[in-house]
Amino acid sequence: NAGVTQTPKFQVLKTGQSMTLQCAQDMNHNSMYWYRQDPGMGLRLIYYSASEGTTDKGEVPNGYNVSRLNKREFSLRLESAAPSQTSVYFCASTKQGPGELFFGEGSRLTVL
Amino acid sequence: DAKTTQPPSMDCAEGRAANLPCNHSTISGNEYVYWYRQIHSQGPQYIIHGLKNNETNEMASLIITEDRKSSTLILPHATLRDTAVYYCIVRETSGSRLTFGEGTQLTVNP
Repeated sequence: NAGVTQTPKFQVLKTGQSMTLQCAQDMNHNSMYWYRQDPGMGLRLIYYSASEGTTDKGEVPNGYNVSRLNKREFSLRLESAAPSQTSVYFCASTKQGPGELFFGEGSRLTVL
Repeated sequence: DAKTTQPPSMDCAEGRAANLPCNHSTISGNEYVYWYRQIHSQGPQYIIHGLKNNETNEMASLIITEDRKSSTLILPHATLRDTAVYYCIVRETSGSRLTFGEGTQLTVNP
């Protein structure tokens, strides 16, 4: 099993450009998450999807949109990238009920 | 989800036990305590979780106080590879919103 797969792993954008970060999990998990982590900081929740067909805002949703395409996939879109969105983005998933959160390897985004 | 409070940093000598505290005074009866760690900029790694009883696995032990308002993660014989940021979070059985605090930077010294 691949677990949680994120693409791309690295991306450089210019201010104002748009892009989509892709996340897929093969563990049949119900819940999926997008976090961002700035240098020297903890993880901050951007958006999450408790189950297929639902999405909710997290702590820092401004400037982002998400799509829960199906049970496996949860994408994060930056419509007009800003330098403040330079960060490492982590996708994660978990089953319902008690259980661990599985993380992807991260996507490192730089906005110039 | 209940908020957690952790010290920003701790040091430990290699080979000694590392005891990392976490306060979660507003935890409710159906919330589990989870511990994760993050080495460098890798994705966080699950360590252990518990509800009421103390738990132990191959990585660590989790001690939860009787009133469940605090817990301690114990790494029994810390190694240099245990240097990482350790996060304590609480989560309802069916809860989906999962937030992390700033965690504790544990540095294991030779």
